[in-house]
Amino acid sequence: AQTVTQSQPEMSVQEAETVTLSCTYDTSESDYYLFWYKQPPSRQMILVIRQEAYKQQNATENRFSVNFQKAAKSFSLKISDSQLGDAAMYFCAWALPAQKLVFGQGTRLTINP
Amino acid sequence: GAVVSQHPSRVICKSGTSVKIECRSLDFQATTMFWYRQFPKQSLMLMATSNEGSKATYEQGVEKDKFLINHASLTLSTLTVTSAHPEDSSFYICSARSPGTSIDNEQFFGPGTRLTVL
Repeated sequence: AQTVTQSQPEMSVQEAETVTLSCTYDTSESDYYLFWYKQPPSRQMILVIRQEAYKQQNATENRFSVNFQKAAKSFSLKISDSQLGDAAMYFCAWALPAQKLVFGQGTRLTINP
Repeated sequence: GAVVSQHPSRVICKSGTSVKIECRSLDFQATTMFWYRQFPKQSLMLMATSNEGSKATYEQGVEKDKFLINHASLTLSTLTVTSAHPEDSSFYICSARSPGTSIDNEQFFGPGTRLTVL
């Protein structure tokens, strides 16, 4: 079965600094999607960034970027210029095309002012 | 676009009663909807996948007779917790996707429903 592992239950970073959240996954598939979701205290799940496995170029969305290492099955999220509003639970997720999401355990990110 | 709503946002009920939670896609047709359960400080656990007009597919360990899912239209899925007990208290989240469209392979999440069973 496919699994997603987030080895950092909690992370903290100073405001305006950069932080990297780790995610590894296990699959024998070659065509899949990877996602990072943010869940703030409101508990609304928000898509931060997505990556198609067939694309070699790492996805970026403003201050958010990923380091996708397909061979290593690693998908880390880098948040640059951290802001107080970035404080949340972050979930890494994996999915086959048009299939259900498999979530990691989550990482709680704290931003220190 | 791609907004999903849930109703109610919070519900408190007595043990033994049934509770219905609605999930609606407001601006797109959701042929597939997912229902998740989330305990405090834990990840989302997929309960079932529902496709419009057909029976839901439940994940292993999820009681079909307790968590009734209906997806009768392209914009509405409902989760009914039957004979609720305190251990059913949790945060329930739905998501929706629209296969075969430009927003395929992406799930849009509702804001969640907090269920408390007394």
